[in-house]
Amino acid sequence: QQPVQSPQAVILREGEDAVINCSSSKALYSVHWYRQKHGEAPVFLMILLKGGEQKGHEKISASFNEKKQQSSLYLTASQLSYSGTYFCGTGGAGGSNYKLTFGKGTLLTVNP
Amino acid sequence: EAGVVQSPRYKIIEKKQPVAFWCNPISGHNTLYWYLQNLGQGPELLIRYENEEAVDDSQLPKDRFSAERLKGVDSTLKIQPAELGDSAVYLCASSFGGAGNEQFFGPGTRLTVL
Repeated sequence: QQPVQSPQAVILREGEDAVINCSSSKALYSVHWYRQKHGEAPVFLMILLKGGEQKGHEKISASFNEKKQQSSLYLTASQLSYSGTYFCGTGGAGGSNYKLTFGKGTLLTVNP
Repeated sequence: EAGVVQSPRYKIIEKKQPVAFWCNPISGHNTLYWYLQNLGQGPELLIRYENEEAVDDSQLPKDRFSAERLKGVDSTLKIQPAELGDSAVYLCASSFGGAGNEQFFGPGTRLTVL
């Protein structure tokens, strides 16, 4: 089941904040966040695991509500380089935890 | 550290022709993934390898797609014959160890089937 991301697109001015949400209908073991610029490879941002462990870049923050099967990515004091499409990938509980199912993405545009 | 390498970056073929994509993962990464990404969509898993073994190929259309990972390092994904609907970006990714580790993606191969 593909996770649902919201919003689909957001436009910011440099320095503004944004929140991108990811919601799943199934129990999750992990949530992975990636950013992809046009024509480039997705770049790892953060992993949030069931139980509270997190791995990722220091300047990126995110939350994982295991009960609600939701995750949010917080982008603060946005920079022009933050522009791109953000994908969440969810890993299910049990034996399916290796398989990531990605959402359709959230297009973030940061303007000067 | 070198990243995931894929070739070719772009490929244009006519329908019914065969095509192959090559991936060299990050050194030491035992897990390799092939994804398909359509325009405006997130990556979709085609196949996952643990070393030489394909441990999840449930999403691979086996009538026309095949993959191999000889010696547990490089991998090749093949389509034969290609159809118009196969036009997409084919991404390779690798990771070390389990489900809690990040995947590193290559730049992808953009396939256009005419």
